[in-house]
Amino acid sequence: DTEVTQTPKHLVMGMTNKKSLKCEQHMGHRAMYWYKQKAKKPPELMFVYSYEKLSINESVPSRFSPECPNSSLLNLHLHALQPEDSALYLCASSQLGGGFQETQYFGPGTRLLVL
Amino acid sequence: AQSVTQLGSHVSVSEGALVLLRCNYSSSVPPYLFWYVQYPNQGLQLLLKYTSAATLVKGINGFEAEFKKSETSFHLTKPSAHMSDAAEYFCAVSDGGSGTYKYIFGTGTRLKVLA
Repeated sequence: DTEVTQTPKHLVMGMTNKKSLKCEQHMGHRAMYWYKQKAKKPPELMFVYSYEKLSINESVPSRFSPECPNSSLLNLHLHALQPEDSALYLCASSQLGGGFQETQYFGPGTRLLVL
Repeated sequence: AQSVTQLGSHVSVSEGALVLLRCNYSSSVPPYLFWYVQYPNQGLQLLLKYTSAATLVKGINGFEAEFKKSETSFHLTKPSAHMSDAAEYFCAVSDGGSGTYKYIFGTGTRLKVLA
């Protein structure tokens, strides 16, 4: 099973709302990633968790708050977002230990619209 | 710093024709390169990856890519395009170290297949 699941599929929120995106994998992977993808653009890395610890934060605004409660789950908490944060948010996971040749497995994404 | 460049943001081919999507890399170390495909409103799916074991890499759905060090290229090909190949294609290079790796994506090429 090489599946990464993400919920919800779609999310509409106002600028004062608080919401969370959820990502789950049961492949035993120990690295998990959040990406943001704007229309017609490549994914941009936001955060990387290795062994449930945050290892990369690509200077993401604090209105995005990641959380990795266990090795299978990754959350992205959203608060006070701006309309320009509207995008497809992709989660990915990888095994760790594979080095540079490690494959990332992507979920289907959550399409977020901020009004 | 490593990077990849995808020449041609849009490529159109006729059904049954050869598909050629271009990717050139810039790397000071031997690169690890990946091709991903993204269908509309979906996540990314790995097509193939280069890990230095062989210069000609075969992937899923009839795609293959050849690593050419002299040309710093890793172009994606498929002998005969199918309508279902219409999608966005991303080339990526793996970067990082100390146990945490990340992808650097190219800007993507949208493939259109004409009937």
